[in-house]
Order: sequence, then C-alpha cells, then structure tokens
Amino acid sequence: DIVMTQFPDSLAVSLGERATINCKSSQSVLYNSNNKNYLAWYQQKPGQPPKLLIYWASTRESGVPDRFNGSGSGTDFTLTISSLQAEDVAVYYCQQYYNARRTFGQGTKLEIK
Amino acid sequence: QVLLVESGGGVVQPGGSLRLSCTASGFIFTSYGMHWVRQAPGKGLEWVAFIQYDGTNKYYGDSVKGRFTISRDDSKNTLFLQMNSLTTEDTAFYYCVRDGGNFDYWGQGILVTVSS
Repeated sequence: DIVMTQFPDSLAVSLGERATINCKSSQSVLYNSNNKNYLAWYQQKPGQPPKLLIYWASTRESGVPDRFNGSGSGTDFTLTISSLQAEDVAVYYCQQYYNARRTFGQGTKLEIK
Repeated sequence: QVLLVESGGGVVQPGGSLRLSCTASGFIFTSYGMHWVRQAPGKGLEWVAFIQYDGTNKYYGDSVKGRFTISRDDSKNTLFLQMNSLTTEDTAFYYCVRDGGNFDYWGQGILVTVSS
C-alpha cells in the first residue's frame, strides 16, 4: 500500500495568516500517461463527514473558497490556506487515489492561535 | 442531489456480525464504484473496502480482509458491508462513499460499537 504521511500533526495559526500542511507519499502518485497527480485533500469538521476540497493535487472542488490551494507533484504535496478564517478550524487529510486501495494521511488538526 | 444514507449500525458483542447498508440516490448508481471508510472515535480516516461499478472487483484493507465482505444490489441502489468476527478494534463510524476517483460524496456515517 502507498503510505501517506502528513506534517505537522497539529498547527495553530492566527486569523488572517497563512497555514501550510504537507503530505508525502511513499511512492509517486503521478500517473505518467495523463500527467495527473492522484492526490486529494479533505476537510473534516467535528460531527461531520469529510468534505472534498482539492483533487488532482491542485484543482479546487466547486464551491471551495480560493484561499485553499493545493500544490506539489510526485511524492510531495502541500495544502495552503492563504488567510485563515475562523471557519477553517478542522482536521485536514490528504489521500491518494492512484490505486484501488486508497490510503489517507493521519490528519492535521488546524486551530486558531 | 446525491444522497448516501447508511443504516444497520448499532452495538454488537465481540465475535458477532453486523451488516451495514447504504442507500444511494441522485445519481446513476451502476456507473460508480463505491467505498466504505471508517473512523474510530477521535481517530483518523481508514479506508475499508471498495467495489467496482459493475461488482467485478473488490478490494479490502488489511485489517478487515477475510472478515468483511462488500457487495452491492444495483436493483435497489444499495451498497452493503457484511462484517463478521468483529472485535473492539472495529468500533467506528462507518461512511459510505462514492468513487469519483476521489471521494466526492460521503454519507453521514453510522456508528458501530463492538462491546461486551
């Protein structure tokens, strides 16, 4: 299985400041035939199921604010929230969908400083 | 709109069995593979199982392989997860998820508690 590792495990950022979450896969999730990274980011708030934020590593899901940005390729990826809002407090997960046996990172808990 | 509604959760003793169901609506069920994902209370997400859109291939996480079986009834737009030989480690919220490549739609989840 592809192992996904996120860092940090938790993060406290001031309102309006930038938050950066990293994700590393144990093997490349870049599919050479279409040059797409099979990497997604999810946001989970307490008592709710996860919500898809970003797919193909950098494509924002419809309705997701443009302060959320995904980047990276191959094995190293980043989710950046450019200006943290109070409603962004959540746990964030990366996930590979390169193969049928999907795997998630362990999650990064984002809080307000 | 897309709706996924899980049912069948509850409390079961260690060694027992339970069958979860997920009723889908708002999309062409037979065009999509489906997953089960679980989350133990206060823990992260764990992928459990996947069934392809036509049911021909099924995949399982290592922690449930040989104990859980994923299946689908396309005539009823329903996904199932048969869980046998349950242990306390299987206590979790279980989510039904549509496979859009990524996981674009999730159910609200159903709680399974394994306890004596």
